[in-house]
Amino acid sequence: DAGITQSPRHKVTETGTPVTLRCHQTENHRYMYWYRQDPGHGLRLIHYSYGVKDTDKGEVSDGYSVSRSKTEDFLLTLESATSSQTSVYFCAISESTGLGQETQYFGPGTRLLVL
Amino acid sequence: GENVEQHPSTLSVQEGDSAVIKCTYSDSASNYFPWYKQELGKRPQLIIDIRSNVGEKKDQRIAVTLNKTAKHFSLHITETQPEDSAVYFCAAPGGGGADGLTFGKGTHLIIQP
Repeated sequence: DAGITQSPRHKVTETGTPVTLRCHQTENHRYMYWYRQDPGHGLRLIHYSYGVKDTDKGEVSDGYSVSRSKTEDFLLTLESATSSQTSVYFCAISESTGLGQETQYFGPGTRLLVL
Repeated sequence: GENVEQHPSTLSVQEGDSAVIKCTYSDSASNYFPWYKQELGKRPQLIIDIRSNVGEKKDQRIAVTLNKTAKHFSLHITETQPEDSAVYFCAAPGGGGADGLTFGKGTHLIIQP
């Protein structure tokens, strides 16, 4: 499974609280991504990183921030969780040279419920 | 950015029959098209992909065809088996930024015994 882990795997939190999800890879891949998956919407890109401290926004970035201080770790933070952020969050990695044209491998996912 | 449309949303076929799932994309510069299979509660897994320098690619019972002129690509599964039951996603480059993937909304494939 491409050496990708996510933590926690399940989380229940309350509206207004901060939440941080972690993605860890052992493949030393340059590119890392955060997606959310919701019924009827498929997978949508939140943020991605193309190197240490290099990140950029995706399609649905509002309400989320990310950080990458080491090649192997990519953190997704919900500064103040809302019920609309209840979702399944997937991390992905690739050796993309840019323009998203290389294979992406997904982590096991984190199921987040915001009450 | 890229827009990917996927049809049908649900497909039910008899075991042993063929299944075809179709996707269209909007960005003519896109040149990489992966297909993912996702079983209930699991992560999406890449099953096949195609690049724009070829029109068709096969891997055992699975094939993908690409028509760049019409901007559509299709997944073909032959001799379907119960383990093929899952949700299938197509994707194309361009997830709202310069990188990432834009996914179709998925097709729930049901294999009837």
